[in-house]
Amino acid sequence: AQSVTQPDIHITVSEGASLELRCNYSYGATPYLFWYVQSPGQGLQLLLKYFSGDTLVQGIKGFEAEFKRSQSSFNLRKPSVHWSDAAEYFCAVGPHTGNQFYFGTGTSLTVIP
Amino acid sequence: KAGVTQTPRYLIKTRGQQVTLSCSPISGHRSVSWYQQTPGQGLQFLFEYFSETQRNKGNFPGRFSGRQFSNSRSEMNVSTLELGDSALYLCASSLTQSNTEAFFGQGTRLTVV
Repeated sequence: AQSVTQPDIHITVSEGASLELRCNYSYGATPYLFWYVQSPGQGLQLLLKYFSGDTLVQGIKGFEAEFKRSQSSFNLRKPSVHWSDAAEYFCAVGPHTGNQFYFGTGTSLTVIP
Repeated sequence: KAGVTQTPRYLIKTRGQQVTLSCSPISGHRSVSWYQQTPGQGLQFLFEYFSETQRNKGNFPGRFSGRQFSNSRSEMNVSTLELGDSALYLCASSLTQSNTEAFFGQGTRLTVV
């Protein structure tokens, strides 16, 4: 069965500190992997995606994620967090055909000045 | 280039009523998918349309239905509304069914009273 686990419901970091959000997935085939961000009352914005190739992918706003097949993980990282990064972050997996994504439950990020 | 447009943004309905939500995808995009987002269940896939045909359907009762028009615009309908249908309904569009990248709208906030 397909599923995504984001073990951290809420994370608080200080501005300027590094960030890592965890994501583990279960999928029957090689998945496409995504990280989305959602600000309050807004839709989802794509941060980055992994389809194949280099397992370290760069995204927008200084985010990066590393795909580790052996650990079924796709963790999101940022070296220095800005106050504007406070939002809800969702990891998702999807098939190669179709847009039926499976989302994690999200990690809420609070940034302390 | 305009993004994904969902109308209305907010809606209040009474139990037992029906509701229709609209989604206009990005120009040129032919695939539209719908998701329900609630605090308890997170983001759940409703259905996906491509070239006016429903390609995938999530695990929702038959009260939830949708359609896609020849201009790729999509509507979803919920009949006999229940309190539990209160949610943020998100629409996503992508160029094709090949799941390269999905762009989300800001959503329609439905409140059932």
